[in-house]
Amino acid sequence: GQQLNQSPQSMFIQEGEDVSMNCTSSSIFNTWLWYKQDPGEGPVLLIALYKAGELTSNGRLTAQFGITRKDSFLNISASIPSDVGIYFCAGQRGKTSYDKVIFGPGTSLSVIP
Amino acid sequence: SAVISQKPSRDICQRGTSLTIQCQVDSQVTMMFWYRQQPGQSLTLIATANQGSEATYESGFVIDKFPISRPNLTFSTLTVSNMSPEDSSIYLCSVRSGADQPQHFGDGTRLSIL
Repeated sequence: GQQLNQSPQSMFIQEGEDVSMNCTSSSIFNTWLWYKQDPGEGPVLLIALYKAGELTSNGRLTAQFGITRKDSFLNISASIPSDVGIYFCAGQRGKTSYDKVIFGPGTSLSVIP
Repeated sequence: SAVISQKPSRDICQRGTSLTIQCQVDSQVTMMFWYRQQPGQSLTLIATANQGSEATYESGFVIDKFPISRPNLTFSTLTVSNMSPEDSSIYLCSVRSGADQPQHFGDGTRLSIL
């Protein structure tokens, strides 16, 4: 079945550093989504990508839809303590109601003040 | 985006009992989904609950164990039946306002079975 891989699995960074994480698949996806989950809460949508090559920013976050449509990247600039959490990528093959969203295993981010 | 409220936010239950989780959305949505997130894991889709049709279950999930209702465009329930400790998880409601729209999540129900 369709699977998403995320790397790294976890990261420990110093406050102020930039962060890069990625998501890969053996299948093509036509929508890529990035979510952040804080402890005790549900995932919150950060960025949605709909076109191959698309680069979208949301504040200090920037995400890209890979040209091959099999990967996506999320970058966080100048990290702060509240960036701590688990980041999930998710992919959707099509845009019909039958197309389910598949989630990656997540990247756990820790920020050292 | 839609505001999604889940009740209860957490519960501790005895094995063999059943619990019904409610999901209320502040706007009408065509697609609702129920996910399970086991401790330290990612999200696994249990079923899709679109109004006006029977819920569609993913492999490994059955209606007898996880009956779902979707009486209108703003509300759904998931029941976890005959619970065992293996059912201890976070159960999350998710909605999509249209086929080409991204999914949004409630804060989940944290369920522990003793």
